[in-house]
Amino acid sequence: GDSVTQMEGPVTLSEEAFLTINCTYTATGYPSLFWYVQYPGEGLQLLLKATKADDKGSNKGFEATYRKETTSFHLEKGSVQVSDSAVYFCALSEINAGGTSYGKLTFGQGTILTVHP
Amino acid sequence: IAGITQAPTSQILAAGRRMTLRCTQDMRHNAMYWYRQDLGLGLRLIHYSNTAGTTGKGEVPDGYSVSRANTDDFPLTLASAVPSQTSVYFCASTDRGYGYTFGSGTRLTVV
Repeated sequence: GDSVTQMEGPVTLSEEAFLTINCTYTATGYPSLFWYVQYPGEGLQLLLKATKADDKGSNKGFEATYRKETTSFHLEKGSVQVSDSAVYFCALSEINAGGTSYGKLTFGQGTILTVHP
Repeated sequence: IAGITQAPTSQILAAGRRMTLRCTQDMRHNAMYWYRQDLGLGLRLIHYSNTAGTTGKGEVPDGYSVSRANTDDFPLTLASAVPSQTSVYFCASTDRGYGYTFGSGTRLTVV
């Protein structure tokens, strides 16, 4: 079945440091890939997405590129801020997985990011 | 404002009691999902529904049931709650699988 593996956390950085959170996946078809962010005490918000190979999703200074050859979708940001402290989830969905699980999201375990001033 | 409404926001429940978590969306999305979030495990799919009148089991369905009588509502029922069902529950929906909307969650504690 489908699966998503994220780098183990937690990750602690100083403000303005470079961020990378690794994400790799296994899928039977051609999935869409997502990064979600969860701020303390809140629900999940879509951060960015990519639907085909070599697509780059970007938002709020975060970027991730869909790499089919390495089955990866690593999240990067050049200069993190204290306000980026949150839990980040990598996820995938397959649109036509035999018609039995249309579009369900499969999540990684989440990476806790803490940014210090 | 279009979105998903979950209720209650939080609940403390005695073990053995029955409870229904409510989820309503106003976007006319066909597919809906229930996830539970546990520390270190991410979000795991409990049940899903591709369209009104159909449901399916996800990764962790035991102890839970769902129904989808119409497009908008997708309640999750715990028939006899156990402490291991202590979690945060999220309802989500999508139309074509490219964009998902999540509710704000229900924090459930079973004691």
